[in-house]
Amino acid sequence: GNSVTQMEGPVTLSEEAFLTINCTYTATGYPSLFWYVQYPGEGLQLLLKATKADDKGSNKGFEATYRKETTSFHLEKGSVQVSDSAVYFCALSDRNTDKLIFGTGTRLQVFP
Amino acid sequence: DGGITQSPKYLFRKEGQNVTLSCEQNLNHDAMYWYRQDPGQGLRLIYYSQIVNDFQKGDIAEGYSVSREKKESFPLTVTSAQKNPTAFYLCASSRDFPETQYFGPGTRLLVL
Repeated sequence: GNSVTQMEGPVTLSEEAFLTINCTYTATGYPSLFWYVQYPGEGLQLLLKATKADDKGSNKGFEATYRKETTSFHLEKGSVQVSDSAVYFCALSDRNTDKLIFGTGTRLQVFP
Repeated sequence: DGGITQSPKYLFRKEGQNVTLSCEQNLNHDAMYWYRQDPGQGLRLIYYSQIVNDFQKGDIAEGYSVSREKKESFPLTVTSAQKNPTAFYLCASSRDFPETQYFGPGTRLLVL
């Protein structure tokens, strides 16, 4: 079945460092891909999405490109801030089941 | 302001008790979802509804029940059959699938 694999956390960075959080997927067909962010004690918020191959989603300095050839959707940011500390979830839309399939989440900790 | 509200923020359940978690949205979305999140884990789908008066079981429906009598509301009941109910419960809605899902702030359920 369809699945999403994210890198294990926590990812610990100093402020202004470059961020990459890896996400790979297994899917039949052409799913949409999403990154959601969860701040402590809150629900999830959509960070960015891409709906077809080679699309780049971007928001608040974060970017991710839908790579069909490598089945990846890695999240990047050039310069992280302490306020970016949160858990990041990669997800795909499973068109066979009408469900979102989530990865297990990656905790990011940014220190000043 | 449009959005999703969940109440209460914290809920305590006694042994053998049924409890109901509220989820309301004023986004005019057709689809609504309930997820369970355990510490350090991803989201697991409990139930979902794509239209009023219709709902489907997700991956972990045992011990839970739902209703969808109104478009705006999708309450979740955690029954006494759910032996390990302590978790963070998230409600979400979307206009359609595979559109972006919008999440509420969550309800944390604890067992006394």
